[in-house]
Amino acid sequence: AQSVTQPDIHITVSEGASLELRCNYSYGATPYLFWYVQSPGQGLQLLLKYFSGDTLVQGIKGFEAEFKRSQSSFNLRKPSVHWSDAAEYFCAVGRGSQGNLIFGKGTKLSVKP
Amino acid sequence: DAGVIQSPRHEVTEMGQEVTLRCKPISGHNSLFWYRQTMMRGLELLIYFNNNVPIDDSGMPEDRFSAKMPNASFSTLKIQPSEPRDSAVYFCASSPPGGANQPQHFGDGTRLSIL
Repeated sequence: AQSVTQPDIHITVSEGASLELRCNYSYGATPYLFWYVQSPGQGLQLLLKYFSGDTLVQGIKGFEAEFKRSQSSFNLRKPSVHWSDAAEYFCAVGRGSQGNLIFGKGTKLSVKP
Repeated sequence: DAGVIQSPRHEVTEMGQEVTLRCKPISGHNSLFWYRQTMMRGLELLIYFNNNVPIDDSGMPEDRFSAKMPNASFSTLKIQPSEPRDSAVYFCASSPPGGANQPQHFGDGTRLSIL
């Protein structure tokens, strides 16, 4: 069965430090992969997506993610974190022809000054 | 452009009462999704529609929950009767035609508290 694992429930980084959030997926075919961000009291906002082609994808707010088929991973990275990046981040895999997504449990990011 | 619109933003009611959550998807989108988010279970897909037809309702917790999509611009999620364990944030999302490679656009959610 398809699944998405985000191993880190909560991560704290210092402002200006680099960030990597981990995501592993289980899917029988070429996956469609997404990262979303959720700020408190708000819905999820799309950061970036991967369908095919270049395995390094760029997103909004300076985020990027790299698809590694051999590791079944789609980790999210940012070179320098800003305090406004504090939020919860969700990885998701698309399946089926109808657009259904499977979400990971999320990683909460805290940023310390 | 208007995003996905959900109403109400907050709902507090007593157990046993009927609760109706509403969603207006983005114009032109043909898939609509209802999710529930709690601390314990995370983000759960309840049901999704394609072209106003329910495709998968396996995530609906029990018969107390029902969802309808009478037209392309409106959907409701109803809980009757409501119970305290239904307290959660309920999100509606929509996506354009194209299948699994289309991102979902989320509303700001309805925070439901059942007393």
